[in-house]
Amino acid sequence: DTGVSQNPRHKITKRGQNVTFRCDPISEHNRLYWYRQTLGQGPEFLTYFQNEAQLEKSRLLSDRFSAERPKGSFSTLEIQRTEQGDSAMYLCASSWDRARRELFFGEGSRLTVL
Amino acid sequence: KQEVTQIPAALSVPEGENLVLNCSFTDSAIYNLQWFRQDPGKGLTSLLLIQSSQREQTSGRLNASLDKSSGRSTLYIAASQPGDSATYLCAAPDTGTASKLTFGTGTRLQVTL
Repeated sequence: DTGVSQNPRHKITKRGQNVTFRCDPISEHNRLYWYRQTLGQGPEFLTYFQNEAQLEKSRLLSDRFSAERPKGSFSTLEIQRTEQGDSAMYLCASSWDRARRELFFGEGSRLTVL
Repeated sequence: KQEVTQIPAALSVPEGENLVLNCSFTDSAIYNLQWFRQDPGKGLTSLLLIQSSQREQTSGRLNASLDKSSGRSTLYIAASQPGDSATYLCAAPDTGTASKLTFGTGTRLQVTL
């Protein structure tokens, strides 16, 4: 069990560019979540998948954001036309949808928009 | 909509002290509650998960309690060590869900020598 893996760990980009983050969940987990965290705040929910189906999206997820989980395994989060306000830590988590439903997080991908 | 509050926002204690971190939540119809630890610039590490049917859960020097009726949870850390210095986050599921979590803003703990 290698845990939840996120790439890249750090991304610096210029305003207006597109960025993509990847998350590989724990292999037996069928739920995958994306959260965003800014300095001094707790993580805020963005969206989650059960298998390949995107079941819920937060109002925080503007139309510049898109997430996919095409085969029910890894997921990508793309931000188009980045803005300085998008600078944050993007966290991915996974869980099983039965029993304890404990969430396990990755190390996060830190985005800095200049 | 679930709201989670953590008190205090920051805490500094000398090594060896026992301490309690507090978490309150507004919707008591929760499936479970999780406590996490976060080191600076890092992701979240799950410490303890308490199911709604449980009143407490223990792992090593950590003990978490849950009182659904009052909307409170506490994290007790015994015999604190400098390595315990981190931010501790409490998270409760949103109303009507079992997994989508709402987080508090955390308690930043510093354990001094």
